Parts: sequence; C-alpha cells; structure tokens
Amino acid sequence: ELKVEQNPLFLSMQEGKNYTIYCNYSTTSDRLYWYRQDPGKSLESLFVLLSNGAVKQEGRLMASLDTKARLSTLHITAAVHDLSATYFCAVALLDNTDKLIFGTGTRLQVFP
Amino acid sequence: NAGVTQTPKFQVLKTGQSMTLQCAQDMNHNSMYWYRQDPGMGLRLIYYSASEGTTDKGEVPNGYNVSRLNKREFSLRLESAAPSQTSVYFCASSGREGGNEQFFGPGTRLTVL
Repeated sequence: ELKVEQNPLFLSMQEGKNYTIYCNYSTTSDRLYWYRQDPGKSLESLFVLLSNGAVKQEGRLMASLDTKARLSTLHITAAVHDLSATYFCAVALLDNTDKLIFGTGTRLQVFP
Repeated sequence: NAGVTQTPKFQVLKTGQSMTLQCAQDMNHNSMYWYRQDPGMGLRLIYYSASEGTTDKGEVPNGYNVSRLNKREFSLRLESAAPSQTSVYFCASSGREGGNEQFFGPGTRLTVL
C-alpha cells in the first residue's frame, strides 16, 4: 500500500527566508504532483514531475523528484506572505490507473 | 472554459437523508474522481472513473455510490447520510496530456447533523 508522508506538517517562516518541504513515499512511483490550497478554496496545480531527476521552478518555488530515494522536495526561496497556503504532494499509483495518493499537507505561514 | 464545476457549494443534511453531488468538466478528460477532505487527513479518493461507463472504488467508498453519466458528468450519491460523512468533497478530472495532471472543482461543503 502506498503511503505518502510530508514534513513538516506546519511551517511558520519569516519573509525572506528559505525552506524546504519534504515528501516521502513508500513504494515505487514515477509521477509526483504538487498542489497549493488557500483556506476555503480548491486545489491549484503547481508542478508535475514525471521522471527521476525532474526539476521544475516557478517563481520562488522549485520542486524536484528523486524516484530512487522516493523523495520529492519543494524548496521556497526568499519567502513572501503571498506564499502562505497549504501545500500537498500527491503520488501516482503504478497500477495503470490515474489514481493519486495525497500527503496530509504542509501548512505554511509566512510572517513579516 | 469553466474547467471543473460542482453543485451545490454548501449543503446541510439530517442523518438518514440522501443527496447527489454533481460534477461536470468541459476539458474532454477521460478520467474523473471524487475525493473527500477532512482536517488533518489530506484528500482521500472515494471513487474513480477511467472513462464513460466505468467506475472503480478508491480508499473510502463505503456509504457512497457514483454514476458516470457521460464523458462530462460524474455524480456522487449519499443514500443515507451519516455524521461521519461531514466533509468537503472535491471532484477532479484528468487527461493523458500533461502527465495526467488532475484539475479540481471548487468543492462542496457538506454537513450532516
């Protein structure tokens, strides 16, 4: 059974600082997704990582995937308040379906 | 291009009542999904449909039924609502393009008293 763990679960960080969110998963997969959710809102797709070594960047966020280590990271550079949200990683099952298993999310709060 | 739409946005039910949550997508996606989101538990898959006419159980299917009415629409039915089904429900869809990225609807906030 595929399990997906994120850490930390909560992250309070100062504007301008850097930090990394980690997403570990328990069985082999080659597709991983990062989503953002603002309070009371739906999920917004951030990154789609489809192979070992994949790296994607958008603004102050950069995501990477290491399928051998079963690990993805979401790195935040010089955080700003607008990045405050909950971030989820989701891992695809290798069962010829498109099903995803979601992590429990990392709630990020950026303060001045 | 509305993406994924869901109705209703909010609903309050009494225990034992039934209701259907509606979902539609206009992206010509084959796959559609129903998730529930509970505090501290992320999203859990209730049911999944790979194509029109096919459905499959997810992690938490008990107490729910689904219908893939056509390629655009995928509905979720609660036959006899229970307080444990109080949650936020999200519908999503995906296509083969773009690495099967899932696109989410705005959600339905359901309270069962």
